[in-house]
Amino acid sequence: QVQLQESGPGLVKPSETLSLICIVSGDSIIPNYWTWIRQPPGKALEWIGHIYDGGRTYYNPSLESRVSMSVDTSKNQLSLRLTAVTAADTAVYFCARGHYSDYISALTFYSYYYMDVWGKGTTVTVSS
Amino acid sequence: QSVLTQPPSVSAAPGQRVTISCSGSSSNIGDHSVSWYQQFPGTAPKLLIYDSNKRPSGIPDRFSGSQSGTSATLGITGLQTGDEADYYCGTWDSSLSSGVFGGGTKVTVL
Repeated sequence: QVQLQESGPGLVKPSETLSLICIVSGDSIIPNYWTWIRQPPGKALEWIGHIYDGGRTYYNPSLESRVSMSVDTSKNQLSLRLTAVTAADTAVYFCARGHYSDYISALTFYSYYYMDVWGKGTTVTVSS
Repeated sequence: QSVLTQPPSVSAAPGQRVTISCSGSSSNIGDHSVSWYQQFPGTAPKLLIYDSNKRPSGIPDRFSGSQSGTSATLGITGLQTGDEADYYCGTWDSSLSSGVFGGGTKVTVL
């Protein structure tokens, strides 16, 4: 059974860097897509980015200048860093296991992308 | 402002059927299959439908998905009070090279 557990500081001051960890149990870091998603209070889910193949990344264009992700295969854990945080970064942060595939069959392009296992999330508040 | 558009809320009586729409564009739903997630307050989202219409193990067949063009639909039949939750659609967007979600739909059982 795959389980994900996020952890982080809970409270971060404006302009500082947010660092979160997600510990993965029951599955290997490679070759899955490991995704970070956040949800501000009372708002919708926001895709932050994903890391796959041990280090290849895609980030949300709106966060790309401030976000970075990495993996530590020896510890089977993921890391998220978000720099220069503001109150708008206050949210519950989730890590999730993602699946992506695209292929062409009979001249037709097919693609899927979804997240099947989610951590419980960790709340991050940005405040002085 | 979410990339995918969902109605803020839908409602129906117990036992009835509801549908939730998810509208996008050629670079997301038009090119990639949609997934659906159920979220109860204070908990993590749960995968309901993936690859447009497939259900993970353990998801009852009261939940169904369909997709055509740049729109997708989640259907819930035999509505139960336990189905009251927020529902999100999601997929990949080729233009943004990013995952995208809808704004979420709150289902209320009258």
